[in-house]
Amino acid sequence: GQNIDQPTEMTATEGAIVQINCTYQTSGFNGLFWYQQHAGEAPTFLSYNVLDGLEEKGRFSSFLSRSKGYSYLLLKELQMKDSASYLCAVRRGRRALTFGSGTRLQVQP
Amino acid sequence: DAGVTQSPTHLIKTRGQQVTLRCSPKSGHDTVSWYQQALGQGPQFIFQYYEEEERQRGNFPDRFSGHQFPNYSSELNVNALLLGDSALYLCASSLGGGEGMNTEAFFGQGTRLTVV
Repeated sequence: GQNIDQPTEMTATEGAIVQINCTYQTSGFNGLFWYQQHAGEAPTFLSYNVLDGLEEKGRFSSFLSRSKGYSYLLLKELQMKDSASYLCAVRRGRRALTFGSGTRLQVQP
Repeated sequence: DAGVTQSPTHLIKTRGQQVTLRCSPKSGHDTVSWYQQALGQGPQFIFQYYEEEERQRGNFPDRFSGHQFPNYSSELNVNALLLGDSALYLCASSLGGGEGMNTEAFFGQGTRLTVV
């Protein structure tokens, strides 16, 4: 099976930087995904890591350490519209994604 | 280019009834995965269809079944509905049936099912 852990809730201030952590335990690791989900909407793809290191995409970056079973999503220059749930998901082999419970981020003025 | 479309958007059913949810994948995609998302939780994988066959299945009972049509659209059927089946049902489309390195799944807006 797979265990994916991420904090339930986080609060940050507009303009600041926030890091959302995700730890996982799985065999046959084949990629880690981050999705953003606004309330009542579909998850939207943010990033994908399969090799160790940092992937940067504008204000969003994602890091992976396979040996530690650890990833984080870094959001810079926070905006109010970044208030959403952030889902960490792991692919095992060729299987479909397994999601964590999500981290609800509240950005305050 | 239409993304993933699901219908209906909302549905209310009574315990014991049956329900059918529908999904049209993003243009050019041939693989459809279904997920159940309870309030405050992440999506849980139900099953995946590729080439009109169920290729993978999560930990869901046989009351959950599906179908994929030649045009790649898909249906999710749930029989003998329970109160606990109330959730957001998400459809995700991708390419290659999991055989290739398809790195991104596109999700539909979901169907909110309420069982009373």
